[in-house]
Amino acid sequence: GAVVSQHPSWVICKSGTSVKIECRSLDFQATTMFWYRQFPKQSLMLMATSNEGSKATYEQGVEKDKFLINHASLTLSTLTVTSAHPEDSSFYICSAPGDYYNEQFFGPGTRLTVL
Amino acid sequence: GESVGLHLPTLSVQEGDNSIINCAYSNSASDYFIWYKQESGKGPQFIIDIRSNMDKRQGQRVTVLLNKTVKHLSLQIAATQPGDSAVYFCAENRGGSYIPTFGRGTSLIVHP
Repeated sequence: GAVVSQHPSWVICKSGTSVKIECRSLDFQATTMFWYRQFPKQSLMLMATSNEGSKATYEQGVEKDKFLINHASLTLSTLTVTSAHPEDSSFYICSAPGDYYNEQFFGPGTRLTVL
Repeated sequence: GESVGLHLPTLSVQEGDNSIINCAYSNSASDYFIWYKQESGKGPQFIIDIRSNMDKRQGQRVTVLLNKTVKHLSLQIAATQPGDSAVYFCAENRGGSYIPTFGRGTSLIVHP
């Protein structure tokens, strides 16, 4: 199947700094990508839909000014956590749809720890 | 709001046993269901899916059953192995959407 990568796999930052997470589709193009957040022992919660060439669509309760999404190309979406705080510490996972309806390929996730 | 939920947060089994992981959903408009496996520190991995016009689908060592009458989904793993230890999520695609909504998850622990 298709491969989605994320970089970095983990990051530790100080409170107040910004962190950028990359999501790449390695062998296919993705006009849409999805960003999820997962707290320990909890489920994946959809944060936003990243759209190539247009603004991201955010789920209710997700601050768009705090979680900046840029879909720079057909293979790259970035999520920037601005002014990170300890409560932003989480596992961030992206996904991209495949060619077939309902097909989703998930990245390996990025562990963010804010001190 | 409507959501997908699970009955058992943790399931412990012996190697070689069959495992059954259950999931309840409440959105009658959901037309597609997926089971994912997530190992520690990794992203979800597709296991098996089923459309709402089916009630059973089999894969290699796994079977998914769908009971639309009671809005219940289950994943059966035959001859469970230590490598099956992970968290299993059911997810649903609500009618017209191709974005999966995840349930809470069940941690499967396989004892050798």
